[in-house]
Amino acid sequence: DQQVKQNSPSLSVQEGRISILNCDYTNSMFDYFLWYKKYPAEGPTFLISISSIKDKNEDGRFTVFLNKSAKHLSLHIVPSQPGDSAVYFCAASKAGTGNQFYFGTGTSLTVIP
Amino acid sequence: EAGVAQSPRYKIIEKRQSVAFWCNPISGHATLYWYQQILGQGPKLLIQFQNNGVVDDSQLPKDRFSAERLKGVDSTLKIQPAKLEDSAVYLCASSFLQGPNQPQHFGDGTRLSIL
Repeated sequence: DQQVKQNSPSLSVQEGRISILNCDYTNSMFDYFLWYKKYPAEGPTFLISISSIKDKNEDGRFTVFLNKSAKHLSLHIVPSQPGDSAVYFCAASKAGTGNQFYFGTGTSLTVIP
Repeated sequence: EAGVAQSPRYKIIEKRQSVAFWCNPISGHATLYWYQQILGQGPKLLIQFQNNGVVDDSQLPKDRFSAERLKGVDSTLKIQPAKLEDSAVYLCASSFLQGPNQPQHFGDGTRLSIL
C-alpha cells in the first residue's frame, strides 16, 4: 500500500530554469513532510521540510508547497543547477508513530547545462 | 561531525545463506532506523530503535530478519536465511530525537545481492 506517491520517475530541466517535483499522499493523518536528495551510491540527505500547519516553506533556492485539501506537495528549485541532478524522495509522517516516515518512489532530476 | 557509518558497502551471497550488516549512528543520536530500499522503490522502514529499545518493528520479516542495538549505540541487522527478494540496499539512519519533525541522517547503505 503506497501511501506516498511520486508519479514522475524522471524529470529533465535546463540549467537556470525552475524544477518542479510533485508528490501525492493518501493518508489525511500525515502532518509532516520532508524532501530528501540522493546521489548515486550515497544515502539520502535531508533537504527541506514542512509542517501541515503551513502551506509554504522556503530555504534558499528550494521551496516546498503543501496543498492539504488536494493531499499534494511540490518542491520547487529555482534556479536549477547541474549539481541538483539527483533522485528526490518525498516522505510523510504522522504524529504518534514515533518517527516513521513513508517514502515515495523518487523522481530522478537531471539538470542540463 | 562524523556521519552514519555502515559496513560492508557491498555483499554478495547465495540464497539460504546468512548475512549481517553493521551501523554506527551519529554520536549522541538516540534513535536509529534500518530501511530496505528495493531497486526503483523508496526506502521502507524495517525497524526503529530508541536507545536500545525497539519502537517499531511492524514491517520486519521476523521469520528471517533480526536486529539488535544492545548498548544503545551501534546496531546490527541480520538476515538468515536470505531469499532472492532480499536483494536491496539496506540503509541505516539516525536522528537526535524521536518525532515526526526530526530529519533522519542516512548512511551510504549496504548493497546486498542474492544469487
